[in-house]
Amino acid sequence: EPEVTQTPSHQVTQMGQEVILRCVPISNHLYFYWYRQILGQKVEFLVSFYNNEISEKSEIFDDQFSVERPDGSNFTLKIRSTKLEDSAMYFCASTATNEKLFFGSGTQLSVL
Amino acid sequence: GESVGLHLPTLSVQEGDNSIINCAYSNSASDYFIWYKQESGKGPQFIIDIRSNMDKRQGQRVTVLLNKTVKHLSLQIAATQPGDSAVYFCAENITPDKLIFGTGTRLQVFP
Repeated sequence: EPEVTQTPSHQVTQMGQEVILRCVPISNHLYFYWYRQILGQKVEFLVSFYNNEISEKSEIFDDQFSVERPDGSNFTLKIRSTKLEDSAMYFCASTATNEKLFFGSGTQLSVL
Repeated sequence: GESVGLHLPTLSVQEGDNSIINCAYSNSASDYFIWYKQESGKGPQFIIDIRSNMDKRQGQRVTVLLNKTVKHLSLQIAATQPGDSAVYFCAENITPDKLIFGTGTRLQVFP
């Protein structure tokens, strides 16, 4: 069964450093998303992406965040200057029809 | 507002019993709802969805009920099994490109 894959599974970084989280969505999907989940809390929407542009973004997704689909298969989330409060599990998701999102296993980001 | 909330943070059931997990949503304009299951260390896994023009939808051992009058969603799991132990989230599409998750309910299944 096709699945969304995310790398790395764990990322440790120093505060102020840039990080790039990588995702390979399911191949025929057209809509892409990033969510995050702070430990023990709910899954929070960050951004949706369709047709090579951002469709929606939340208040969390400020100027420190950016997304890119650099080629036909990858979808990345960049955090330019990480803060302690960026520590969370980051999930990528994709869907063919902007319903029924399929999620990856996540990247655990730890900012020290 | 955009809030989607859950009534109970933890639900404990005996194996073989039926489970009912509830969810309240606040956006009356939402027209699509999903239930996700999240096991420890994993991403959310799709269980079942329902559109606002339906009141009930059934899957394998699961049923979702939608009451638009009181903005309430429920997930029923028949003959609950140990493998059903997880956190369950309801989510709503408040816009076509923005799926908002609720707080989550932990389901614990005891033998």
